[in-house]
Amino acid sequence: DAKTTQPPSMDCAEGRAANLPCNHSTISGNEYVYWYRQIHSQGPQYIIHGLKNNETNEMASLIITEDRKSSTLILPHATLRDTAVYYCIARNGNTGKLIFGQGTTLQVKP
Amino acid sequence: GAVVSQHPSWVICKSGTSVKIECRSLDFQATTMFWYRQFPKQSLMLMATSNEGSKATYEQGVEKDKFLINHASLTLSTLTVTSAHPEDSSFYICSARGAGSNSYEQYFGPGTRLTVT
Repeated sequence: DAKTTQPPSMDCAEGRAANLPCNHSTISGNEYVYWYRQIHSQGPQYIIHGLKNNETNEMASLIITEDRKSSTLILPHATLRDTAVYYCIARNGNTGKLIFGQGTTLQVKP
Repeated sequence: GAVVSQHPSWVICKSGTSVKIECRSLDFQATTMFWYRQFPKQSLMLMATSNEGSKATYEQGVEKDKFLINHASLTLSTLTVTSAHPEDSSFYICSARGAGSNSYEQYFGPGTRLTVT
C-alpha cells in the first residue's frame, strides 16, 4: 500500500478556501486517492476520491497531478464546522483496504 | 450516503471480562466490513477485514484469539474483545463496504469507546 505524507496541521480563515496537500509518490496504478475527515470522537466521514482526473462534489474538489504523485483537497469556503483531521489515503485496488496515516489537523478560525 | 451503526456507543467493563461490539449496515448489504482501533491522539489502525460468511483476515500483530470477529450476515458484524485488559481501552470503529457499483465507498460507523477498569 502506498504511503501518503501530509502536513500535521494547517490553519484556515473562515470563508476562505482550504487547500490540503498530500504526497503519494509511490502510488501504484490501481490505487485510488481517497479523502476522509474525522471530527473529534466520531467515525471518519467520506469526502471524495479519484484515480487520475480531478473530481468535484458538493463537499470538495480533488486535484490530482498528472504523474499522480500528489494531490490537493480543496474546501472552497471553509466553515468552523470543517475543523477536523483530514486523511489522505491511497486505497488498495485489490483488497480495498484503507490504511490511515497521521492526517492533517485543519483548524478553521473565525 | 449509506448508514452504519455501532452498538454500544460506549461501554465500561472490568478487567478479565469479554465485550461484544456490533456493527450494522442499515440500508445496504455489506459484503465486507473492516474493524479499526484508535488510541487517543493517534490515527486509526486497521485490525481486521471480514467478509460475510468467511473467516476474518487479521492485520499483522493483531491477536485473532483476543479479538473475535464474526460476520454472519450481510448487515451485521461483531467484534468481541475477550478477557479485556486496561490496555484494550480504545475507540473501536467499524466500516462497511457494499457490493456492486458502490463498492468503492466505505462507510464508517460512529465508533464505540471501550474503557476497561
